[in-house]
Amino acid sequence: SQQGEEDPQALSIQEGENATMNCSYKTSINNLQWYRQNSGRGLVHLILIRSNEREKHSGRLRVTLDTSKKSSSLLITASRAADTASYFCAHISNFGNEKLTFGTGTRLTIIP
Amino acid sequence: GAGVSQSPSNKVTEKGKDVELRCDPISGHTALYWYRQSLGQGLEFLIYFQGNSAPDKSGLPSDRFSAERTGGSVSTLTIQRTQQEDSAVYLCASSLVWTRTNTEAFFGQGTRLTVV
Repeated sequence: SQQGEEDPQALSIQEGENATMNCSYKTSINNLQWYRQNSGRGLVHLILIRSNEREKHSGRLRVTLDTSKKSSSLLITASRAADTASYFCAHISNFGNEKLTFGTGTRLTIIP
Repeated sequence: GAGVSQSPSNKVTEKGKDVELRCDPISGHTALYWYRQSLGQGLEFLIYFQGNSAPDKSGLPSDRFSAERTGGSVSTLTIQRTQQEDSAVYLCASSLVWTRTNTEAFFGQGTRLTVV
């Protein structure tokens, strides 16, 4: 399977703390994306980082990409209760097939 | 429409019956994806369309599953002779162009299928 893996599977932190989630993948990629899912329904795109980028910021989100280690991390700073959700990384490989493959996800709980 | 629309939102069916799940992508989006998600699990890729053709059907679990897309727009996922293990949320996503530089996918709210 080319599915990526994320760790931790679940994370609980106090409101105001930073949350870090990691993602690993198995193929050479074109870009890597992070999505958020609330209540087990539709996913919302958060941020995309290209394979030639190493770090990207968007508001309280910071994403890093290490293609040599085939890994990415998502940092959410100053967490809020509304950040409680599942977070997934996703990628498209460089080998012709444009299938968007998702990781296994991290369930983040922010404790007020 | 304003977003990806899926119908029905919920479907309860008896084991052995056929079901059709519909996805209306964002107008103009050429790429369309179907995923399946069991409770508390990740997204399992089923199939994706580029226009009306399906370059990758590798995720369809069995020959009971089929999908089509017409007019480069609406897609239907059909499950024949449903089994209890088919119970899951079926998610559809669309994207403007798979240019490898801008591949953000927009998701519908899913169809929760329960086979009893």
